[in-house]
Amino acid sequence: DTGVSQDPRHKITKRGQNVTFRCDPISEHNRLYWYRQTLGQGPEFLTYFQNEAQLEKSRLLSDRFSAERPKGSFSTLEIQRTEQGDSAMYLCASSPGQGKETQYFGPGTRLLVL
Amino acid sequence: QKEVEQDPGPLSVPEGAIVSLNCTYSNSAFQYFMWYRQYSRKGPELLMYTYSSGNKEDGRFTAQVDKSSKYISLFIRDSQPSDSATYLCASYPLRSGGYNKLIFGAGTRLAVHP
Repeated sequence: DTGVSQDPRHKITKRGQNVTFRCDPISEHNRLYWYRQTLGQGPEFLTYFQNEAQLEKSRLLSDRFSAERPKGSFSTLEIQRTEQGDSAMYLCASSPGQGKETQYFGPGTRLLVL
Repeated sequence: QKEVEQDPGPLSVPEGAIVSLNCTYSNSAFQYFMWYRQYSRKGPELLMYTYSSGNKEDGRFTAQVDKSSKYISLFIRDSQPSDSATYLCASYPLRSGGYNKLIFGAGTRLAVHP
């Protein structure tokens, strides 16, 4: 069990650029979540996948954000036309989806928009 | 009012002290409660998972839930400098057959000094 992995770990970009983050969940975990964490705050839910289906998107996820999970394996989160307010830690979590809901988090991708 | 409130600290204690970390919540539908530990620039790591009122112990850590007052606590005995981190409480409501997006507190920063 290698845990949840995320790539890249850090990303610096200029305002207006597009960025894409990747999350590889624990194998055989069919539930995958994206959260965003800003400085001094707890993580906030962004979106959820059950296998390949995106079942919920938070109001925090504007139309500049899109997430996919092709074939129910890894997931990508893309932010188009980045803004300085997008600067945050983007966390991915996965859970087995049976019974107890234990979510395991990845190390996160820290985004800085200049 | 946030659904989960947590004093951000920082909390500074000497090595060996007993630490008490607390959260309050407002949603009566919350049934499951978690404590995550987050080291600087890392993803959250699950420490304790509890359901219903009462105590749950795991090594030096004890989680306590009082649903009547909507109050959850984490106690750390014999605190060590390696316990220095941000501690996040989280919860989600009981939902039949569904996924669960976690609602986090803002986190309490703990520093244990030698």
